[in-house]
This record gives sequence, C-alpha cells and structure tokens, in this order.
Amino acid sequence: ILNVEQSPQSLHVQEGDSTNFTCSFPSSNFYALHWYRWETAKSPEALFVMTLNGDEKKKGRISATLNTKEGYSYLYIKGSQPEDSATYLCAFPPSGTYKYIFGTGTRLKVLA
Amino acid sequence: EAGVVQSPRYKIIEKKQPVAFWCNPISGHNTLYWYLQNLGQGPELLIRYENEEAVDDSQLPKDRFSAERLKGVDSTLKIQPAELGDSAVYLCASSFGAGPAFFGQGTRLTVV
Repeated sequence: ILNVEQSPQSLHVQEGDSTNFTCSFPSSNFYALHWYRWETAKSPEALFVMTLNGDEKKKGRISATLNTKEGYSYLYIKGSQPEDSATYLCAFPPSGTYKYIFGTGTRLKVLA
Repeated sequence: EAGVVQSPRYKIIEKKQPVAFWCNPISGHNTLYWYLQNLGQGPELLIRYENEEAVDDSQLPKDRFSAERLKGVDSTLKIQPAELGDSAVYLCASSFGAGPAFFGQGTRLTVV
C-alpha cells in the first residue's frame, strides 16, 4: 500500500518566523511530487511540481526541495505572514498512474 | 482562463435522499477527478475520467454512488441514497494528462 505522510500535522508560528514541513513518499517508482496550498473556503491551489532529485523550486517566500532517493520533500516558508495560513498538501502520483495519493496535510496558522 | 467550476457550493439533505454534484473542468483538460475529503484528511480519489471513459473507479462505492461524464466535458456525481457518513467535501479537479490537477472549490455536503 502506497502511503504519503506529512509532518507536522499542524503548526502555529509567529508572523515573521520561517518554517518548514515535510512530505514523505515511497522512493520507488517516483514520477513527480505536487505541493498544494488549500486555504479555508477556497480550492486547493497548485504550488509546485517537483520531478528531479535535487530539485529546488521557489515562489516568492515559499520554496520546496526534493530528495527522490530517500523519499522526502521539504516545503519552506520564509518570513511567514498571516495570509500564509492554510493547509499544505503534497500529492504523489506513482509512476505510470494518474492516481494522486494525497498526504493528510500540514495545517499552518500564522499568528499576527 | 476560468477555473474548475463546481456547484452547488453547499448542500444539506436528509439521509436517504438523493443528491447530485456538478463539475465543469478547465477547457481542454481531458482528465477529470472526483475526490472526497473528510475533515482532517487529505483528498481521496473516488473516480478518474480520461475524456468520457472512467478509467479508475475502484474507490467509488458503487452501491450508492454513480458518476458520468457525457461528451467528455462536464461531469456529475450522484449519491442515492445519502447516508450520514457521506457528509464531506466533494472536490472536482481536472488536468491535462498527468500534469498538476486544478481543483474546484468543492461542494460541502451535510447529511442530517
């Protein structure tokens, strides 16, 4: 059974702090890893698609890294702002399938 | 470009009643997904369409759930009869091939 795990489950940080969280996935049959941000009452928004081992992608204050050999990806937020408060989901489509397997998410709350 | 559109946004029904959800994917996206998201969990795939063909419906409870995607564009998901445990957010997403999925805002179903 393929499993995608995210940690921590929830996180409270102060405005201005930097933070990071982890997505762990099966390292065999890797195809891609997707990160999504899901704000309350909105639809999940695609942040990054990571495909190559050692990939590092950046979007404003948010960046992500990928290690396909050990099966993890980190998402970093630099200088957290209240508008960063959301659930961050990673999704793993095993090679040869279109079946995204989602983690349970990390719920981030940034306190002003 | 319009995103994935779902309706209704919210639905409250009594148990044993039927309910239907509608999804209009992004134009040109041949892959359409229906996901179920329970509180505190990541989205779980119910069914995936490639054009008008349901290619993965292994997680769809076929005794009460049905879906269709006529003409390979819009899709409907139906539950008949609804049970209390069906209360959840139903998300529709679309993608072009195995690219990142773009999600609608979801339908929050409450069965009372």
